[in-house]
Amino acid sequence: EPEVTQTPSHQVTQMGQEVILRCVPISNHLYFYWYRQILGQKVEFLVSFYNNEISEKSEIFDDQFSVERPDGSNFTLKIRSTKLEDSAMYFCASRGTGSYQPQHFGDGTRLSIL
Amino acid sequence: QQQVKQSPQSLIVQKGGISIINCAYENTAFDYFPWYQQFPGKGPALLIAIRPDVSEKKEGRFTISFNKSAKQFSLHIMDSQPGDSATYFCAARTGGTASKLTFGTGTRLQVTL
Repeated sequence: EPEVTQTPSHQVTQMGQEVILRCVPISNHLYFYWYRQILGQKVEFLVSFYNNEISEKSEIFDDQFSVERPDGSNFTLKIRSTKLEDSAMYFCASRGTGSYQPQHFGDGTRLSIL
Repeated sequence: QQQVKQSPQSLIVQKGGISIINCAYENTAFDYFPWYQQFPGKGPALLIAIRPDVSEKKEGRFTISFNKSAKQFSLHIMDSQPGDSATYFCAARTGGTASKLTFGTGTRLQVTL
């Protein structure tokens, strides 16, 4: 069964550094998402992306965050200047075309900011 | 108004018993209600989902009951098994191009022998 893959599985970064989280969505999917989950808390929406542009973003997704689809297979989340509170699991999701297509999630990248 | 309230926070059920997890929402713009199962170290995996024009959906041991007028929906796991021990999240989707999911706070289910 096709799956969403994310790399790296764990990223440790010094506060203030830039980090890029990478995702390979399911190949025929056109809608892409990033969510985050702070340890022990619920999953929170960050941003949705379709047709090479952001379709919606949450208040968490401030100017320090950006997303990109640099080629036909990858979808990235960049945090320009990381803060301690950015430490979380970051999940990428994708879904196919159609009204009730579900979102499929990757296994996440654990981001630890020191 | 965007919140999805989920209860209980944790649940212990004996093997063979029924696990019931409840969710409630306020936003009538939600148009799709999936349940996700998450094991430690893994991403949320879609378990079952329902549209608001349906009152019940069953897939194997898993059933969603949906009450549109009360804005509530619940997950029933029949014949619960130790392998069902995981965290369960209800979610609600906002329609449109974004179709973002708003998640509940999660229920940690433990099925004992």
